[in-house]
Amino acid sequence: AQSVAQPEDQVNVAEGNPLTVKCTYSVSGNPYLFWYVQYPNRGLQFLLKYITGDNLVKGSYGFEAEFNKSQTSFHLKKPSALVSDSALYFCAVRDDEAAGNKLTFGGGTRVLVKP
Amino acid sequence: DTAVSQTPKYLVTQMGNDKSIKCEQNLGHDTMYWYKQDSKKFLKIMFSYNNKELIINETVPNRFSPKSPDKAHLNLHINSLELGDSAVYFCASSQGYFERGNEQFFGPGTRLTVL
Repeated sequence: AQSVAQPEDQVNVAEGNPLTVKCTYSVSGNPYLFWYVQYPNRGLQFLLKYITGDNLVKGSYGFEAEFNKSQTSFHLKKPSALVSDSALYFCAVRDDEAAGNKLTFGGGTRVLVKP
Repeated sequence: DTAVSQTPKYLVTQMGNDKSIKCEQNLGHDTMYWYKQDSKKFLKIMFSYNNKELIINETVPNRFSPKSPDKAHLNLHINSLELGDSAVYFCASSQGYFERGNEQFFGPGTRLTVL
């Protein structure tokens, strides 16, 4: 079975400071990992993904994420947060050994960037 | 020029009624999904279709019936609406059901309120 956990319901950060949103996962095989962002009253937007290769993945809007197999983590990072980064962030995982093509989402982490 | 569109955006109705939500994607994808996002923002897959064929049915009540007339459309019909059906419903699409590294593209959502 595949699962993903986002341990923080909310992350508060001052504008200009580094932003980290945590994600850990559990799969039987190899993971495919994704980050999405949801702005108020909008659908989810894809930010970045890890399939294979370099552990550091770069995505949209200056975000990046680091895949750590030993810690089963895929934390999202941004070196310098903007007020406009305030949104709901979802981590998602797909197990390459699972039947079907189901994507499992974490519970989401609300990011609040204060000016 | 919207990639994944849903209609209506808002739906307010009485308990016991039947309603439909429509979804269309112009990305040329062959796989489409329905997700339910509850009041706590938890996102859960309901159905997945690949080339008009039902692939995933996540123990959703029989009152929910998806229909895919062609690869670009996936509609959701709900019979005998209940209070617990109130949620935001998202449609999504992706290319290549067996290409598990492909990201999904989400529509803007339909906020269903059952009174």
